[in-house]
Amino acid sequence: GIQVEQSPPDLILQEGANSTLRCNFSDSVNNLQWFHQNPWGQLINLFYIPSGTKQNGRLSATTVATERYSLLYISSSQTTDSGVYFCAVGTGGFKTIFGAGTRLFVKA
Amino acid sequence: ETGVTQTPRHLVMGMTNKKSLKCEQHLGHNAMYWYKQSAKKPLELMFVYNFKEQTENNSVPSRFSPECPNSSHLFLHLHTLQPEDSALYLCASSQSGGSDEQFFGPGTRLTVL
Repeated sequence: GIQVEQSPPDLILQEGANSTLRCNFSDSVNNLQWFHQNPWGQLINLFYIPSGTKQNGRLSATTVATERYSLLYISSSQTTDSGVYFCAVGTGGFKTIFGAGTRLFVKA
Repeated sequence: ETGVTQTPRHLVMGMTNKKSLKCEQHLGHNAMYWYKQSAKKPLELMFVYNFKEQTENNSVPSRFSPECPNSSHLFLHLHTLQPEDSALYLCASSQSGGSDEQFFGPGTRLTVL
Protein backbone atom coordinates (compact mmCIF):
# COMPACT_ATOMS: atom_id res chain seq x y z
CA GLY A 1 0.00 0.00 0.00
CA ILE A 2 0.88 3.65 -0.18
CA GLN A 3 3.52 4.96 2.22
CA VAL A 4 3.32 8.43 3.76
CA GLU A 5 6.42 9.91 5.33
CA GLN A 6 6.58 13.19 7.20
CA SER A 7 9.65 15.16 8.12
CA PRO A 8 11.05 16.29 10.39
CA PRO A 9 9.56 14.09 13.13
CA ASP A 10 10.23 16.76 15.76
CA LEU A 11 10.79 20.48 15.48
CA ILE A 12 11.52 23.15 18.08
CA LEU A 13 11.16 26.78 17.06
CA GLN A 14 11.61 30.11 18.70
CA GLU A 15 8.47 32.21 18.55
CA GLY A 16 8.49 34.28 15.39
CA ALA A 17 10.50 31.79 13.33
CA ASN A 18 9.37 30.24 10.05
CA SER A 19 9.29 26.54 9.24
CA THR A 20 8.54 24.06 6.49
CA LEU A 21 7.03 20.63 7.09
CA ARG A 22 7.19 18.00 4.40
CA CYS A 23 4.97 15.07 3.42
CA ASN A 24 6.17 12.52 0.87
CA PHE A 25 3.89 9.82 -0.52
CA SER A 26 4.81 6.78 -2.55
CA ASP A 27 1.94 6.63 -5.05
CA SER A 28 -0.59 8.82 -6.82
CA VAL A 29 -3.25 10.33 -4.57
CA ASN A 30 -6.63 11.89 -5.22
CA ASN A 31 -6.78 13.83 -1.99
CA LEU A 32 -4.41 15.22 0.59
CA GLN A 33 -5.19 16.98 3.83
CA TRP A 34 -3.10 18.71 6.48
CA PHE A 35 -4.29 18.66 10.08
CA HIS A 36 -3.13 20.18 13.35
CA GLN A 37 -3.75 18.07 16.44
CA ASN A 38 -3.97 20.19 19.55
CA PRO A 39 -2.90 19.01 23.04
CA TRP A 40 -6.46 17.80 23.75
CA GLY A 41 -6.44 15.49 20.73
CA GLN A 42 -8.72 17.48 18.44
CA LEU A 43 -7.75 17.30 14.77
CA ILE A 44 -8.20 20.68 13.15
CA ASN A 45 -8.45 20.95 9.38
CA LEU A 46 -5.76 23.17 7.91
CA PHE A 47 -5.85 22.46 4.19
CA TYR A 48 -7.53 20.18 1.71
CA ILE A 49 -4.97 20.31 -1.08
CA PRO A 50 -4.67 17.43 -3.56
CA SER A 51 -2.70 19.78 -5.82
CA GLY A 52 -1.65 23.40 -6.09
CA THR A 53 -1.06 26.07 -3.46
CA LYS A 54 -3.33 27.53 -0.80
CA GLN A 55 -2.84 30.13 1.89
CA ASN A 56 -4.68 30.82 5.11
CA GLY A 57 -3.20 33.58 7.22
CA ARG A 58 0.27 32.60 8.42
CA LEU A 59 -0.08 29.12 6.99
CA SER A 60 0.26 28.00 3.41
CA ALA A 61 0.56 24.66 1.67
CA THR A 62 1.75 23.39 -1.68
CA THR A 63 1.19 19.96 -3.17
CA VAL A 64 3.14 18.81 -6.22
CA ALA A 65 1.21 15.68 -7.07
CA THR A 66 3.45 14.69 -9.99
CA GLU A 67 6.46 14.63 -7.66
CA ARG A 68 4.52 13.09 -4.78
CA TYR A 69 5.08 15.59 -2.03
CA SER A 70 3.36 18.34 -0.11
CA LEU A 71 4.79 21.16 1.99
CA LEU A 72 3.22 23.07 4.86
CA TYR A 73 4.70 26.48 5.61
CA ILE A 74 4.28 28.17 8.97
CA SER A 75 5.41 31.77 9.13
CA SER A 76 5.93 33.91 12.23
CA SER A 77 5.24 30.94 14.48
CA GLN A 78 3.33 31.40 17.72
CA THR A 79 3.19 29.26 20.86
CA THR A 80 -0.36 28.27 19.92
CA ASP A 81 1.04 26.58 16.80
CA SER A 82 2.52 23.87 19.03
CA GLY A 83 1.11 20.39 18.55
CA VAL A 84 1.33 17.63 16.00
CA TYR A 85 0.87 18.23 12.28
CA PHE A 86 -0.44 15.34 10.20
CA CYS A 87 -0.59 14.78 6.49
CA ALA A 88 -3.27 12.34 5.27
CA VAL A 89 -3.76 11.00 1.76
CA GLY A 90 -6.41 9.05 -0.09
CA THR A 91 -5.87 6.96 -3.20
CA GLY A 92 -9.46 6.25 -4.13
CA GLY A 93 -12.19 4.35 -2.41
CA PHE A 94 -12.47 5.24 1.24
CA LYS A 95 -9.04 4.44 2.59
CA THR A 96 -7.14 7.32 4.14
CA ILE A 97 -3.53 6.91 5.18
CA PHE A 98 -1.99 9.20 7.78
CA GLY A 99 1.67 10.00 8.18
CA ALA A 100 3.35 9.67 11.56
CA GLY A 101 3.22 13.44 12.07
CA THR A 102 5.60 16.27 12.89
CA ARG A 103 5.63 17.28 16.54
CA LEU A 104 6.15 21.05 16.78
CA PHE A 105 7.03 22.98 19.91
CA VAL A 106 7.21 26.76 19.73
CA LYS A 107 9.11 28.42 22.57
CA ALA A 108 8.09 31.84 23.88
CA GLU B 1 -24.32 21.42 18.29
CA THR B 2 -22.13 21.92 15.28
CA GLY B 3 -19.60 19.80 13.45
CA VAL B 4 -18.83 16.33 14.74
CA THR B 5 -19.47 15.41 18.38
CA GLN B 6 -18.37 12.36 20.32
CA THR B 7 -19.43 10.95 23.68
CA PRO B 8 -18.13 10.11 26.12
CA ARG B 9 -14.91 12.12 25.99
CA HIS B 10 -13.20 9.81 28.46
CA LEU B 11 -13.93 6.17 29.29
CA VAL B 12 -12.31 3.72 31.66
CA MET B 13 -13.45 0.13 31.42
CA GLY B 14 -12.48 -3.31 32.59
CA MET B 15 -11.72 -6.13 30.20
CA THR B 16 -15.06 -7.80 30.88
CA ASN B 17 -17.20 -4.68 30.42
CA LYS B 18 -19.37 -3.75 27.46
CA LYS B 19 -19.52 -0.11 26.47
CA SER B 20 -20.37 1.97 23.42
CA LEU B 21 -18.88 5.07 21.87
CA LYS B 22 -21.19 7.48 20.09
CA CYS B 23 -20.50 9.87 17.23
CA GLU B 24 -22.91 12.37 15.70
CA GLN B 25 -22.30 14.67 12.77
CA HIS B 26 -24.29 17.83 12.08
CA LEU B 27 -22.76 18.57 8.67
CA GLY B 28 -25.21 16.77 6.41
CA HIS B 29 -22.51 14.30 5.37
CA ASN B 30 -23.08 10.78 4.13
CA ALA B 31 -19.84 9.04 5.08
CA MET B 32 -18.59 8.39 8.61
CA TYR B 33 -15.35 6.90 9.86
CA TRP B 34 -13.80 5.39 13.00
CA TYR B 35 -10.07 5.83 13.58
CA LYS B 36 -7.79 4.58 16.35
CA GLN B 37 -4.82 6.62 17.55
CA SER B 38 -2.44 4.72 19.83
CA ALA B 39 0.54 6.27 21.52
CA LYS B 40 3.53 6.57 19.20
CA LYS B 41 1.57 5.29 16.17
CA PRO B 42 -0.13 7.01 13.23
CA LEU B 43 -3.90 7.19 13.05
CA GLU B 44 -5.33 3.92 11.81
CA LEU B 45 -8.58 3.70 9.87
CA MET B 46 -10.91 1.12 11.43
CA PHE B 47 -14.28 1.34 9.70
CA VAL B 48 -16.02 3.40 7.04
CA TYR B 49 -19.74 3.75 6.42
CA ASN B 50 -21.15 5.42 3.32
CA PHE B 51 -24.92 5.99 3.19
CA LYS B 52 -25.21 3.65 6.21
CA GLU B 53 -23.44 0.80 4.43
CA GLN B 54 -20.08 -0.44 5.68
CA THR B 55 -17.48 0.00 2.94
CA GLU B 56 -14.25 -0.60 4.87
CA ASN B 57 -13.25 -2.90 7.70
CA ASN B 58 -9.53 -2.60 8.15
CA SER B 59 -9.01 -6.05 9.70
CA VAL B 60 -10.37 -4.87 13.03
CA PRO B 61 -10.85 -7.53 15.77
CA SER B 62 -14.43 -8.60 16.35
CA ARG B 63 -14.39 -7.20 19.90
CA PHE B 64 -15.01 -3.87 18.11
CA SER B 65 -18.45 -3.77 16.52
CA PRO B 66 -19.61 -0.71 14.57
CA GLU B 67 -23.19 0.35 13.97
CA CYS B 68 -24.50 3.08 11.69
CA PRO B 69 -28.29 3.47 12.06
CA ASN B 70 -28.39 6.57 9.81
CA SER B 71 -26.02 8.95 8.06
CA SER B 72 -25.76 11.20 11.12
CA HIS B 73 -24.94 8.65 13.82
CA LEU B 74 -22.16 6.14 14.26
CA PHE B 75 -21.52 3.85 17.20
CA LEU B 76 -18.61 1.66 18.21
CA HIS B 77 -19.62 -1.15 20.54
CA LEU B 78 -16.84 -2.50 22.72
CA HIS B 79 -16.68 -5.83 24.52
CA THR B 80 -13.96 -7.92 26.16
CA LEU B 81 -11.28 -5.41 25.23
CA GLN B 82 -7.59 -5.79 26.00
CA PRO B 83 -5.28 -3.25 27.67
CA GLU B 84 -3.58 -2.69 24.30
CA ASP B 85 -6.88 -1.33 23.00
CA SER B 86 -6.37 1.74 25.16
CA ALA B 87 -6.17 4.65 22.72
CA LEU B 88 -7.86 7.78 21.42
CA TYR B 89 -10.80 6.83 19.20
CA LEU B 90 -11.67 9.46 16.64
CA CYS B 91 -14.77 9.76 14.52
CA ALA B 92 -14.84 11.67 11.23
CA SER B 93 -17.32 12.46 8.50
CA SER B 94 -17.17 13.57 4.88
CA GLN B 95 -19.67 14.56 2.22
CA SER B 96 -19.56 11.14 0.67
CA GLY B 97 -16.23 9.42 0.71
CA GLY B 98 -13.23 8.80 -1.41
CA SER B 99 -11.61 12.10 -2.17
CA ASP B 100 -13.78 14.29 0.04
CA GLU B 101 -12.45 16.38 2.91
CA GLN B 102 -12.87 14.75 6.31
CA PHE B 103 -13.86 16.52 9.53
CA PHE B 104 -13.06 15.05 12.92
CA GLY B 105 -14.72 14.93 16.30
CA PRO B 106 -12.83 15.59 19.55
CA GLY B 107 -12.27 11.90 20.25
CA THR B 108 -12.91 9.49 23.11
CA ARG B 109 -9.91 8.64 25.23
CA LEU B 110 -10.33 5.00 26.23
CA THR B 111 -8.43 3.24 28.99
CA VAL B 112 -8.84 -0.52 29.40
CA LEU B 113 -7.77 -1.84 32.79
